Amino acid sequence: QVLLVQSGPEVKKPGASVTISCRASASRVSGKDVHWVRQVPGQRPEWMGWINVANEKTKVSPEFQGRVTIAGNTDAPVVYMEVRSLGSDDTAIYYCATDQAGALSHWGQGTQVTVSS
Amino acid sequence: IVLTQSPDTLSVSPGERATLSCRASQSLTTNLAWYQQKPGQAPSLLIYDASTRATDTPARFSGSGSGSEFTLTITSLQSEDFVHYYCQQYKNWPYTFGRGTKLEVK
Repeated sequence: QVLLVQSGPEVKKPGASVTISCRASASRVSGKDVHWVRQVPGQRPEWMGWINVANEKTKVSPEFQGRVTIAGNTDAPVVYMEVRSLGSDDTAIYYCATDQAGALSHWGQGTQVTVSS
Repeated sequence: IVLTQSPDTLSVSPGERATLSCRASQSLTTNLAWYQQKPGQAPSLLIYDASTRATDTPARFSGSGSGSEFTLTITSLQSEDFVHYYCQQYKNWPYTFGRGTKLEVK
Protein backbone atom coordinates (compact mmCIF):
# COMPACT_ATOMS: atom_id res chain seq x y z
CA GLN A 1 0.00 0.00 0.00
CA VAL A 2 1.48 3.31 -1.14
CA LEU A 3 0.53 5.95 1.40
CA LEU A 4 2.19 8.84 -0.42
CA VAL A 5 1.39 9.12 -4.12
CA GLN A 6 3.77 11.14 -6.27
CA SER A 7 3.31 12.63 -9.71
CA GLY A 8 4.58 10.84 -12.79
CA PRO A 9 7.95 10.78 -14.56
CA GLU A 10 9.31 13.94 -16.14
CA VAL A 11 11.74 14.63 -18.96
CA LYS A 12 13.18 18.13 -19.02
CA LYS A 13 15.77 20.05 -20.98
CA PRO A 14 18.76 21.63 -19.25
CA GLY A 15 17.85 24.96 -17.68
CA ALA A 16 14.19 24.08 -17.28
CA SER A 17 12.22 23.64 -14.06
CA VAL A 18 10.22 20.71 -12.72
CA THR A 19 7.50 20.52 -10.09
CA ILE A 20 6.76 17.24 -8.34
CA SER A 21 3.69 16.64 -6.19
CA CYS A 22 3.21 14.31 -3.24
CA ARG A 23 -0.29 13.45 -2.05
CA ALA A 24 -1.23 11.65 1.14
CA SER A 25 -3.63 8.80 0.33
CA ALA A 26 -4.41 7.76 3.89
CA SER A 27 -5.37 9.68 6.98
CA ARG A 28 -2.46 8.34 9.00
CA VAL A 29 0.02 10.19 6.86
CA SER A 30 -2.06 13.24 6.06
CA GLY A 31 -0.99 16.36 7.94
CA LYS A 32 2.49 15.07 8.72
CA ASP A 33 5.63 17.00 7.90
CA VAL A 34 7.22 15.96 4.62
CA HIS A 35 10.82 15.55 3.49
CA TRP A 36 12.15 15.45 -0.05
CA VAL A 37 15.05 13.15 -0.93
CA ARG A 38 16.61 12.29 -4.26
CA GLN A 39 18.69 9.33 -5.30
CA VAL A 40 20.74 8.49 -8.32
CA PRO A 41 20.52 4.70 -8.75
CA GLY A 42 23.53 3.06 -7.16
CA GLN A 43 24.27 6.08 -4.97
CA ARG A 44 23.25 7.13 -1.49
CA PRO A 45 20.01 9.08 -0.94
CA GLU A 46 20.46 12.86 -0.74
CA TRP A 47 18.26 14.91 1.56
CA MET A 48 16.90 18.03 -0.15
CA GLY A 49 14.49 19.70 2.21
CA TRP A 50 11.51 19.59 4.57
CA ILE A 51 8.20 21.30 5.16
CA ASN A 52 6.18 21.67 8.33
CA VAL A 53 2.70 21.50 6.84
CA ALA A 54 1.08 23.02 9.93
CA ASN A 55 2.89 26.37 9.67
CA GLU A 56 4.34 26.00 6.16
CA LYS A 57 7.87 26.52 7.45
CA THR A 58 10.48 25.00 5.18
CA LYS A 59 14.14 24.06 5.34
CA VAL A 60 16.22 23.48 2.22
CA SER A 61 19.67 21.92 2.12
CA PRO A 62 22.44 24.45 1.36
CA GLU A 63 23.22 22.25 -1.63
CA PHE A 64 19.91 23.35 -3.19
CA GLN A 65 19.39 26.80 -1.72
CA GLY A 66 18.03 29.24 -4.29
CA ARG A 67 17.07 26.45 -6.68
CA VAL A 68 14.45 24.50 -4.74
CA THR A 69 11.09 25.61 -3.38
CA ILE A 70 8.88 23.42 -1.22
CA ALA A 71 5.23 24.26 -0.60
CA GLY A 72 2.11 22.74 0.95
CA ASN A 73 -0.35 23.10 3.84
CA THR A 74 -2.85 21.20 5.94
CA ASP A 75 -5.84 22.38 3.91
CA ALA A 76 -5.02 19.95 1.14
CA PRO A 77 -2.98 16.78 1.60
CA VAL A 78 -0.56 17.69 -1.19
CA VAL A 79 3.03 18.93 -0.97
CA TYR A 80 5.01 20.26 -3.91
CA MET A 81 8.68 20.67 -4.70
CA GLU A 82 9.99 22.80 -7.55
CA VAL A 83 13.56 22.42 -8.79
CA ARG A 84 14.83 25.15 -11.12
CA SER A 85 17.80 25.48 -13.47
CA LEU A 86 17.99 21.75 -14.05
CA GLY A 87 21.25 20.19 -15.17
CA SER A 88 22.13 16.68 -16.24
CA ASP A 89 23.32 15.90 -12.71
CA ASP A 90 19.76 16.45 -11.49
CA THR A 91 18.71 13.25 -13.26
CA ALA A 92 17.55 11.09 -10.37
CA ILE A 93 14.57 9.55 -8.61
CA TYR A 94 12.90 12.06 -6.31
CA TYR A 95 11.06 10.85 -3.23
CA CYS A 96 8.82 12.45 -0.66
CA ALA A 97 8.60 10.91 2.80
CA THR A 98 6.74 11.68 6.01
CA ASP A 99 8.59 12.82 9.09
CA GLN A 100 8.81 10.83 12.30
CA ALA A 101 10.79 13.16 14.56
CA GLY A 102 13.52 13.35 11.94
CA ALA A 103 13.40 9.83 10.57
CA LEU A 104 11.60 9.27 7.29
CA SER A 105 8.81 6.85 8.05
CA HIS A 106 6.63 6.49 4.94
CA TRP A 107 7.93 7.04 1.42
CA GLY A 108 6.29 7.81 -1.88
CA GLN A 109 6.85 5.57 -4.88
CA GLY A 110 9.36 7.99 -6.37
CA THR A 111 9.35 10.25 -9.43
CA GLN A 112 11.95 9.77 -12.14
CA VAL A 113 13.26 13.08 -13.44
CA THR A 114 15.45 12.91 -16.53
CA VAL A 115 17.32 15.99 -17.74
CA SER A 116 18.48 15.67 -21.30
CA SER A 117 18.91 17.91 -24.30
CA ILE B 1 27.76 15.63 9.40
CA VAL B 2 29.52 12.83 7.50
CA LEU B 3 28.38 9.26 8.02
CA THR B 4 30.80 6.44 7.20
CA GLN B 5 29.31 3.01 6.76
CA SER B 6 31.36 -0.17 6.81
CA PRO B 7 31.90 -2.46 5.17
CA ASP B 8 30.83 -1.44 1.67
CA THR B 9 29.84 -5.04 0.99
CA LEU B 10 29.23 -7.76 3.57
CA SER B 11 29.09 -11.43 2.59
CA VAL B 12 27.16 -13.62 5.03
CA SER B 13 25.45 -16.99 4.77
CA PRO B 14 21.66 -17.30 5.14
CA GLY B 15 20.71 -18.08 8.72
CA GLU B 16 23.80 -16.34 10.09
CA ARG B 17 24.19 -12.93 11.73
CA ALA B 18 25.21 -9.70 10.00
CA THR B 19 26.67 -6.67 11.74
CA LEU B 20 26.71 -3.34 9.89
CA SER B 21 28.48 -0.23 11.17
CA CYS B 22 27.81 3.49 10.86
CA ARG B 23 30.21 6.08 12.23
CA ALA B 24 29.44 9.80 12.46
CA SER B 25 31.89 12.70 12.21
CA GLN B 26 30.36 14.20 15.34
CA SER B 27 28.03 13.14 18.11
CA LEU B 28 24.45 12.37 17.10
CA THR B 29 23.32 11.36 20.60
CA THR B 30 20.74 8.84 19.29
CA ASN B 31 19.39 10.77 16.28
CA LEU B 32 20.14 8.02 13.80
CA ALA B 33 17.93 5.87 11.57
CA TRP B 34 18.55 2.76 9.48
CA TYR B 35 16.84 2.01 6.17
CA GLN B 36 16.60 -1.03 3.97
CA GLN B 37 16.35 -0.59 0.21
CA LYS B 38 15.32 -3.33 -2.17
CA PRO B 39 16.03 -3.03 -5.92
CA GLY B 40 13.65 -0.68 -7.67
CA GLN B 41 11.98 0.41 -4.43
CA ALA B 42 12.14 3.39 -2.11
CA PRO B 43 14.10 3.02 1.11
CA SER B 44 12.10 1.64 4.01
CA LEU B 45 12.57 2.71 7.63
CA LEU B 46 13.83 -0.11 9.86
CA ILE B 47 15.15 1.58 13.00
CA TYR B 48 14.91 5.11 14.40
CA ASP B 49 16.37 6.81 17.46
CA ALA B 50 19.28 4.38 17.04
CA SER B 51 17.49 1.39 18.56
CA THR B 52 13.71 1.65 18.17
CA ARG B 53 12.20 -0.69 15.59
CA ALA B 54 9.76 0.91 13.21
CA THR B 55 6.27 -0.49 12.80
CA ASP B 56 6.43 -3.79 10.89
CA THR B 57 10.22 -4.19 11.34
CA PRO B 58 10.90 -7.85 12.19
CA ALA B 59 12.47 -8.59 15.56
CA ARG B 60 15.60 -10.05 13.92
CA PHE B 61 16.64 -6.45 13.16
CA SER B 62 18.17 -4.51 16.04
CA GLY B 63 20.01 -1.23 16.36
CA SER B 64 22.45 -0.08 18.99
CA GLY B 65 24.88 2.70 19.75
CA SER B 66 24.95 6.35 20.67
CA GLY B 67 27.19 9.32 20.16
CA SER B 68 29.16 8.60 16.99
CA GLU B 69 29.19 4.79 16.75
CA PHE B 70 26.16 2.78 15.67
CA THR B 71 25.44 -0.80 14.68
CA LEU B 72 22.64 -2.57 12.85
CA THR B 73 22.48 -6.27 13.62
CA ILE B 74 20.42 -8.74 11.64
CA THR B 75 20.12 -12.26 13.05
CA SER B 76 18.94 -15.40 11.27
CA LEU B 77 19.39 -13.84 7.83
CA GLN B 78 16.64 -14.59 5.36
CA SER B 79 16.82 -14.39 1.56
CA GLU B 80 14.93 -11.07 1.43
CA ASP B 81 17.51 -9.43 3.73
CA PHE B 82 20.27 -9.49 1.10
CA VAL B 83 19.83 -5.92 -0.13
CA HIS B 84 21.22 -2.43 0.61
CA TYR B 85 21.19 -0.70 4.00
CA TYR B 86 21.69 3.01 4.73
CA CYS B 87 22.08 5.00 7.92
CA GLN B 88 20.80 8.58 8.20
CA GLN B 89 21.39 11.27 10.81
CA TYR B 90 18.82 13.80 11.90
CA LYS B 91 20.83 15.54 14.59
CA ASN B 92 21.65 18.55 12.43
CA TRP B 93 20.48 20.10 9.18
CA PRO B 94 21.16 19.16 6.46
CA TYR B 95 20.23 15.58 7.18
CA THR B 96 22.73 13.17 5.65
CA PHE B 97 22.95 9.52 4.65
CA GLY B 98 25.84 7.08 4.65
CA ARG B 99 27.08 5.50 1.41
CA GLY B 100 25.39 2.25 2.30
CA THR B 101 26.29 -1.39 2.87
CA LYS B 102 25.35 -4.08 0.41
CA LEU B 103 24.53 -7.36 2.12
CA GLU B 104 25.21 -10.30 -0.18
CA VAL B 105 24.93 -14.05 0.05
CA LYS B 106 28.17 -15.82 0.90
